[in-house]
Amino acid sequence: QVQLQESGPGLVKPSETLSLTCTVSGYSIGSGFFWGWIRQSPGKGLEWIGSFYYSGSTYYNPSLESRVTISVDTSKNQLSLNLTSVTAADTAVYYCARYQDYFDPWGQGTLVTVSS
Amino acid sequence: QSVLTQPPSASGTPGQRVTISCSGSSSNIGRYTVSWYQQLPGTAPTLLIYSNDQRPSGAPDRFSGSKSGTSASLAISGLQSEDEADYYCAAWDDRLSAWVFGGGTGLAVL
Repeated sequence: QVQLQESGPGLVKPSETLSLTCTVSGYSIGSGFFWGWIRQSPGKGLEWIGSFYYSGSTYYNPSLESRVTISVDTSKNQLSLNLTSVTAADTAVYYCARYQDYFDPWGQGTLVTVSS
Repeated sequence: QSVLTQPPSASGTPGQRVTISCSGSSSNIGRYTVSWYQQLPGTAPTLLIYSNDQRPSGAPDRFSGSKSGTSASLAISGLQSEDEADYYCAAWDDRLSAWVFGGGTGLAVL
C-alpha cells in the first residue's frame, strides 16, 4: 500500500528556513495525483500549505505563497517543502499527503518547533 | 477563524447517534465535494468520508456523510468509545484558491 513518511529537523531558529522531506513508498510520485503538505499548529486545526501535481505544476496557499517552495525528486520518490523566514507561528506538525479530491493517505507527521 | 465552520465539541453515550455539521459557502461546499477526516489522539488524520457520502474501504458503516447546499454533515450511529477523536471537514475553495478545513470537532463518548 502507499505510505508516506516525513523527515527533517525538529527545531528551526526564527528567520531561518524550514526544510522537510516526504518519502513515498508503494507508488511513484510521477505517475499521478497531487502530493501536498498540510500543517497543524499545536491545539489547532489543519492548514493546507501547497502541493505538487505529478505533471510538474505546483500550487500554494496564497497566505503562504511568498515563503513556500515545494519540489519533487522523482529519482528518490521524495516530496520536499521549504518555508523561509519562519517565526513562532510556523511551529506545527507538518504532514504530507496524496490527494485528488480528498487527502489519502497521510504521513504520520513531524513536529517542527521554531525557537531560538 | 476557519473558512468551514464546525462546532468545537460534540458528545454522546455509547449506542447513540451523533451528527457533526460543517458550514461553508458557495465558493467551497456549495460547489465542490466534501471529505471528512478522523484524528485519533496523537495520530495523523485519516480519511473517513469522501465525495460527500462515500466511505473508503475500512471505514465502519456506522459513519455516513451528507451534503445540502453549502453545508455538510457527518453522522455516527451506534456510537462507540473508540470513536472519541477530532473530526475535520474539508473542501476546495475557488475564491481563496486553496483547500480549506473546518476547525475540527472534538467528539467525547460519555
